[in-house]
Amino acid sequence: GQQVMQIPQYQHVQEGEDFTTYCNSSTTLSNIQWYKQRPGGHPVFLIQLVKSGEVKKQKRLTFQFGEAKKNSSLHITATQTTDVGTYFCAGNTGGFKTIFGAGTRLFVKA
Amino acid sequence: KAGVTQTPRYLIKTRGQQVTLSCSPISGHRSVSWYQQTPGQGLQFLFEYFSETQRNKGNFPGRFSGRQFSNSRSEMNVSTLELGDSALYLCASSSHTDGLSGNTIYFGEGSWLTVV
Repeated sequence: GQQVMQIPQYQHVQEGEDFTTYCNSSTTLSNIQWYKQRPGGHPVFLIQLVKSGEVKKQKRLTFQFGEAKKNSSLHITATQTTDVGTYFCAGNTGGFKTIFGAGTRLFVKA
Repeated sequence: KAGVTQTPRYLIKTRGQQVTLSCSPISGHRSVSWYQQTPGQGLQFLFEYFSETQRNKGNFPGRFSGRQFSNSRSEMNVSTLELGDSALYLCASSSHTDGLSGNTIYFGEGSWLTVV
């Protein structure tokens, strides 16, 4: 079945360092979404990418969707302690089913 | 606009019992999905309902079931509870009428289930 693989599973960074998480799908996606879950909280929508090669920015966060629409990445520049949490990608193939990656848990040391 | 509401927020059950969790989606949203999340784990998809019909189903045993009412509110039921069912159960709603363009999924705060 369709899978969305996300790496790394965990990432420890020093505050101020950059962070990147990657998602790879076994099939072509119609769109991909990114969510953030703070410790003890619930996932919250960050952004959606739809177009091949699309790049979107939200302040220190940069999201990319691959040319083949099978992979995506989230890059955080100069991490802050408020960035702590788990980042999930979620792919949709157009069949009303959203497949979540396993998530990357980010730890930021002050 | 009220968000996704889940009840109860916390509950403790004994092995062998059953439990029913409730979810009220965002007004106007007709798609409701359920996910199981165990500590440190990802989101395991349970099922999705749209207009009272189960549209997608994950790989969970038949002990896990759900339904959706005409007002889009949804319930999920777990029968014959096992210790491994202890988890955070998240409900999510979406307008999700078009799988191609995608629709934002809004999560509730979840129901924490502990099975002892």
